[in-house]
Parts: sequence; C-alpha cells; structure tokens
Amino acid sequence: TQLLEQSPQFLSIQEGENLTVYCNSSSVFSSLQWYRQEPGEGPVLLVTVVTGGEVKKLKRLTFQFGDARKDSSLHITAAQPGDTGLYLCAGDGPNQAGTALIFGKGTTLSVSS
Amino acid sequence: NAGVTQTPKFRILKIGQSMTLQCTQDMNHNYMYWYRQDPGMGLKLIYYSVGAGITDKGEVPNGYNVSRSTTEDFPLRLELAAPSQTSVYFCASSYSTGDYNEQFFGPGTRLTVL
Repeated sequence: TQLLEQSPQFLSIQEGENLTVYCNSSSVFSSLQWYRQEPGEGPVLLVTVVTGGEVKKLKRLTFQFGDARKDSSLHITAAQPGDTGLYLCAGDGPNQAGTALIFGKGTTLSVSS
Repeated sequence: NAGVTQTPKFRILKIGQSMTLQCTQDMNHNYMYWYRQDPGMGLKLIYYSVGAGITDKGEVPNGYNVSRSTTEDFPLRLELAAPSQTSVYFCASSYSTGDYNEQFFGPGTRLTVL
C-alpha cells in the first residue's frame, strides 16, 4: 500500500516568515501534485511535478520533487495571511497515471498578521 | 465553464435514510471520482470512473453506490445512512495526459447523519 506522509500536521506562523512542508513516502510516484484547500471549499491544484529533482516556482511558493521521486517539499517565502489553508500532497502510482490519486493527510497552515 | 458542481451543499439525514449526492462536470473529462474527507484524515477515495458505463471501487466503498451513465454526471448513492458516513464529500474530475492526472474538485457536500 502506498502512503504519503506529510509534516508538520499543523503550522502557525507570523506574516513574513518562511516555512517548508514535507511530503514523504517509501514508494515511487510517477508524479506528485500539491493542492491548497480553503475552509468550506474543495482542493485546488497548485502544481504537478513529474521529473525527479524537478523544481517549480509559483510566485512565493517553491515546489521540489525528490531525485528518487519518493518525496516532495513545498517552501513558502515571506508567508502572508492569504496563504492560510490546508496543503495536500497527492501522488500518482508508478503505473497508475490516469486513475486515483493517493493523498497525504495534509498540513494546516495558519499565517497571522 | 462551471467546472465541477455538487448538490446539495449541506444535508442532514436520519439513520437508515437514503440520498443521492449529485455531481456534474462540464469539462468533458473522462475520469471522475468521489472522495470523503474527515478531519485530520485527508481524502479517501470511495469510487471512481474512467468513462461512461465504467466504475470501480476505491479505498472505502462500503455503504455507497455509484453510476456513470453519461460523461458529465457521476452521482453517489447512500442507501442506508449511518453515523459513520458523516463527512464532507468531494467529487472530482480529470483528463489524464497519460503521464499524470490533475484533478479538479467540486465545492463539496457536508453530510451529517444523526
């Protein structure tokens, strides 16, 4: 069974601080995605990483896929209150592209001003 | 382009009642999914469909049924509601590129079974 473990589970920081969220597994994934979910809404896709070692940037957010495609990280620079939400990582299995994703339990981020 | 829509937004059921959660997408996606989300537990897959007429069980299918008669619609049926089915339900759709699978989610249905 493939599992994705996210850490930390909760994170409460002040505006302007930097933070990193981790998504780890013992399994290889063909791709890994990061979603952000606000209260009362569905998850919204932020980014997909496909190649081992890949780094993608989305404004103040930097996503990295591990070389072995077993882990990923999300780094936020100078966090703002608008970054508050639940961050979920999700992976495609090595032979499961096109079917269901495996989701981590999420990291709840709270940024206060 | 509305994306993925779900109805109802909220619902309270009594134990033993039945209901159907509706899901419609207008993106012509071939894949559709139903997840449930419980606090601190992430998203768990209930059922999914790779096209009209084809459905398959996910991780937690017991107590639920689905059908996929059209590309657009993927309703989820609860036949005998139980308190354990209290949760937030999300429908999602995707169009696989063959390399990866980016999912688009609806706004969710919050269900309480008393």
